[in-house]
Amino acid sequence: DAGITQSPRHKVTETGTPVTLRCHQTENHRYMYWYRQDPGHGLRLIHYSYGVKDTDKGEVSDGYSVSRSKTEDFLLTLESATSSQTSVYFCAISGSELAGSHNEQFFGPGTRLTVL
Amino acid sequence: GQQLNQSPQSMFIQEGEDVSMNCTSSSIFNTWLWYKQDPGEGPVLLIALYKAGELTSNGRLTAQFGITRKDSFLNISASIPSDVGIYFCAGLGGSNYKLTFGKGTLLTVNP
Repeated sequence: DAGITQSPRHKVTETGTPVTLRCHQTENHRYMYWYRQDPGHGLRLIHYSYGVKDTDKGEVSDGYSVSRSKTEDFLLTLESATSSQTSVYFCAISGSELAGSHNEQFFGPGTRLTVL
Repeated sequence: GQQLNQSPQSMFIQEGEDVSMNCTSSSIFNTWLWYKQDPGEGPVLLIALYKAGELTSNGRLTAQFGITRKDSFLNISASIPSDVGIYFCAGLGGSNYKLTFGKGTLLTVNP
């Protein structure tokens, strides 16, 4: 296992409320990613981080923000949740110091978010 | 953006049969990755490919990096019930570290 945890694992919230999802890694990987997974769309990148305080947008970043204040934690925030953000959210990490594994991404267990 | 076409979308096979699935792209990739996802869990990396023409095995799984760098395939030999799940291909192109994912192949194995 790549030592990735996500919290919470399940959450139900109401439209308009703020929500923060946490990804925590113990592997000291440089890169961290947030994806959402929806039927018919597969895995889509929301935001990613290439170092502490260094983040950038993915293909579906509208309505989401991220922060990375230390190597091990990457937070995804929905400032005002909408029903279209009901999804399963996965965190991933990459950038091991091991040769040949820089590009391999390892995924967390996921967070199932329901916005009512 | 880059897109991957993964086929087939789903497969229903009998235990013991061999399985083949593939991904194709109009873009060149430098890395191909194959993942498996079980219900309610995150994708798990099965095989990573880094060179055009490379053929890599992991137990009953074999994957190849296409010589044109625009495709990859995954074979599963002698399938068993625990092979059930969704299999994803993913490609990495250029110098960035953002993966492009296929939409997955749902595999069902009948005992």
